[in-house]
Amino acid sequence: GESVGLHLPTLSVQEGDNSIINCAYSNSASDYFIWYKQESGKGPQFIIDIRSNMDKRQGQRVTVLLNKTVKHLSLQIAATQPGDSAVYFCAERAYSTLTFGKGTMLLVSP
Amino acid sequence: DTEVTQTPKHLVMGMTNKKSLKCEQHMGHRAMYWYKQKAKKPPELMFVYSYEKLSINESVPSRFSPECPNSSLLNLHLHALQPEDSALYLCASSQEEDEAFFGQGTRLTVV
Repeated sequence: GESVGLHLPTLSVQEGDNSIINCAYSNSASDYFIWYKQESGKGPQFIIDIRSNMDKRQGQRVTVLLNKTVKHLSLQIAATQPGDSAVYFCAERAYSTLTFGKGTMLLVSP
Repeated sequence: DTEVTQTPKHLVMGMTNKKSLKCEQHMGHRAMYWYKQKAKKPPELMFVYSYEKLSINESVPSRFSPECPNSSLLNLHLHALQPEDSALYLCASSQEEDEAFFGQGTRLTVV
């Protein structure tokens, strides 16, 4: 299930489950969106991106959905694995500026 | 080569010290960025360089001074920092319309 802590929302799932991480963005001028994965002590790692002229994009085990009407982005991870445990950030680009959302910690139990 | 390399990985400095963080990329990217990240928080943009010119400064205190010597290098000069400046400093680069690639960061501790 999902819990919202003082700083970082956490999503706990079992290995093999599908995970959905949500993000609300703020800038109507944003035209490009990225999901990053950040493991402890490392820099953000690109997962998947989507441009504002699309509403869905699929990668390997990951799908990003974009709803511009309500300024909402989601990341779906199929068959979640323990190695997927990390903090996930959405980021929006507007006028050469890449701004990150608050992040969600994904915890995958074996 | 899809790497952004940051040095040093860790840095401890006193409040009267002067130090520099370094970032290098060889992907031909024309935009380079400095971000600051506190624990359990998202990265916050500090500076953007586009074609070696400073294009965005997000109201960063003058004790942080960026420099872009050439299209592959980005430095962040630090002087008279405060303990609250302790954080993970991330460098990134991108082609302007594409994803930003991040380095592993420099973990800075100000004592």
